[in-house]
Amino acid sequence: QKEVEQNSGPLSVPEGAIASLNCTYSDRGSQSFFWYRQYSGKSPELIMFIYSNGDKEDGRFTAQLNKASQYVSLLIRDSQPSDSATYLCAVRSGTYKYIFGTGTRLKVLA
Amino acid sequence: DAGITQSPRHKVTETGTPVTLRCHQTENHRYMYWYRQDPGHGLRLIHYSYGVKDTDKGEVSDGYSVSRSKTEDFLLTLESATSSQTSVYFCAIRDRDGQYNEQFFGPGTRLTVL
Repeated sequence: QKEVEQNSGPLSVPEGAIASLNCTYSDRGSQSFFWYRQYSGKSPELIMFIYSNGDKEDGRFTAQLNKASQYVSLLIRDSQPSDSATYLCAVRSGTYKYIFGTGTRLKVLA
Repeated sequence: DAGITQSPRHKVTETGTPVTLRCHQTENHRYMYWYRQDPGHGLRLIHYSYGVKDTDKGEVSDGYSVSRSKTEDFLLTLESATSSQTSVYFCAIRDRDGQYNEQFFGPGTRLTVL
């Protein structure tokens, strides 16, 4: 059973701090990795994707991938209360399928 | 916005009744997916389609069937709804132009089976 694991949280950080969200995956053949943000009652929204080892930055978000250790992380700099949401990690497994973690709930405290 | 709509957005039905959920996309994406989302389980794949009339099962396909007779529509049918199928259902497409084959989600359908 291929899996994607995330800590369910909640992860609480003060406003302006860096939030660090982590995800591990079991399928060594995974090629593409995604982070989604999901507000309560809404659908998942793609915020970052990464393919190669290392860091990828987009605005306040940085995705980090380490294929040898099979983990992917998301850093959110200068966290804002509007960043409070559940963050889903997803991994493309094979040609068609995607496996999702159960999500980490982030709370940014004003 | 990947041009995905789902209907209905909310539905309450009774055990044993058939239910069909519709996913409609306007951008000619080849790949379409149905997921369900439940507390503690995250998003789980029910069925997916890789073309018209080409579908396959996901990890939680029991009790569900799908059909895709045209590119823009992917239907999910619960032949005889059960209370365990109470969930939020999301349709997704895989971006045909995306370098990393990103998925984008529709707004979801909240289904309650009494």
